Amino acid sequence: GNSVTQMEGPVTLSEEAFLTINCTYTATGYPSLFWYVQYPGEGLQLLLKATKADDKGSNKGFEATYRKETTSFHLEKGSVQVSDSAVYFCALRGGYSTLTFGKGTMLLVSP
Amino acid sequence: NAGVTQTPKFQVLKTGQSMTLQCAQDMNHNSMYWYRQDPGMGLRLIYYSASEGTTDKGEVPNGYNVSRLNKREFSLRLESAAPSQTSVYFCASTNLDRPGTDTQYFGPGTRLTVL
Repeated sequence: GNSVTQMEGPVTLSEEAFLTINCTYTATGYPSLFWYVQYPGEGLQLLLKATKADDKGSNKGFEATYRKETTSFHLEKGSVQVSDSAVYFCALRGGYSTLTFGKGTMLLVSP
Repeated sequence: NAGVTQTPKFQVLKTGQSMTLQCAQDMNHNSMYWYRQDPGMGLRLIYYSASEGTTDKGEVPNGYNVSRLNKREFSLRLESAAPSQTSVYFCASTNLDRPGTDTQYFGPGTRLTVL
């Protein structure tokens, strides 16, 4: 079956530091891949997505590239802000658009 | 446009009690989903409805039932709540008819505690 593995947190960074959150997946074929973000007390919001191999998704300074060779979709940001503190979920699309999520990675950014 | 709405926001139940979580979307989406979120587990799919009139089990359906009341509404029922069902429940919706635009939109969640 489908599965997503992402690095455990929390990830603690200072403002303006470089961020990488690793995500790898197991699936049949080449499913669409997503990063969702959850701010404290809120639901999930789509951060970015990629629908095919070598696609790069980007939004709000975050980027992730769909690497089929390594079955990975790592999230990066060049300079994090305090307002980026949240939980980040990697996910892949299955049949009928169902989502399989990783366990989430909490990011804490200090001033 | 309210997006996806869920009621209630919080609920405390005693073991064995029943309740229904409500979800509605105003985006004319055809597909709707129920997930639960537990610490360290991410989100797991409970049930989904690919279109009005159909429902299917997800990864963790035991102890739950669902009803797709109409295109807008998709409810989740706990017939006899158990402490293991203490969780945060999220409803989501998307449009399966449009390939490449099937982003799921999530509601704000219902925090349920079963004592």
